[in-house]
Amino acid sequence: AQTVTQSQPEMSVQEAETVTLSCTYDTSESDYYLFWYKQPPSRQMILVIRQEAYKQQNATENRFSVNFQKAAKSFSLKISDSQLGDAAMYFCAYRENSGGSNYKLTFGKGTLLTVNP
Amino acid sequence: GAGVSQSPSNKVTEKGKDVELRCDPISGHTALYWYRQRLGQGLEFLIYFQGNSAPDKSGLPSDRFSAERTGESVSTLTIQRTQQEDSAVYLCASSFSRGGFWYFGPGTRLTVT
Repeated sequence: AQTVTQSQPEMSVQEAETVTLSCTYDTSESDYYLFWYKQPPSRQMILVIRQEAYKQQNATENRFSVNFQKAAKSFSLKISDSQLGDAAMYFCAYRENSGGSNYKLTFGKGTLLTVNP
Repeated sequence: GAGVSQSPSNKVTEKGKDVELRCDPISGHTALYWYRQRLGQGLEFLIYFQGNSAPDKSGLPSDRFSAERTGESVSTLTIQRTQQEDSAVYLCASSFSRGGFWYFGPGTRLTVT
């Protein structure tokens, strides 16, 4: 079974600084997606960034970028120039891209990010 | 509507009572998912609907939990004889198709006293 591990229950960063959130996963599949979701206190899950496993280039969305290491099964999220509005719970998630379970997202337990002014 | 909506936003119920949670997916989205989020935990898969196909109910934790969806419209998640361990946020998401990208609702926070 696929598992997603976020080893940092909590992280903090100073405003305008850079922070990296860690995520590792376990799968025997070669074709899959990885995601980072943000969940602010409003509870609304917001997709931050996604990475397709067959793409070697790391995904980037403005201040958010990932370091995808397929062999190591690692998928970290880097937030640059952190802003107060980045404070939230961040979830790493995995989904197969084909096969019988390609509809199911598997989530890590989350990392609570605090941004200090 | 523009997004996935869920109701109620918050629900407090007494142990042993039944509750019904509602999810309105984005129009045209054939796939619908229910997840449970307990305090300090990640999201646990509960059930998946895809069009008129038989749902994947493999994540439902007990026979007290059931869910219905008619076609590609509203879904309801029912919890009978609620227990304190049912206290959680229940999140619904929908996608245009199986394997498509997900849009989440704001969740229902259920508190069982």
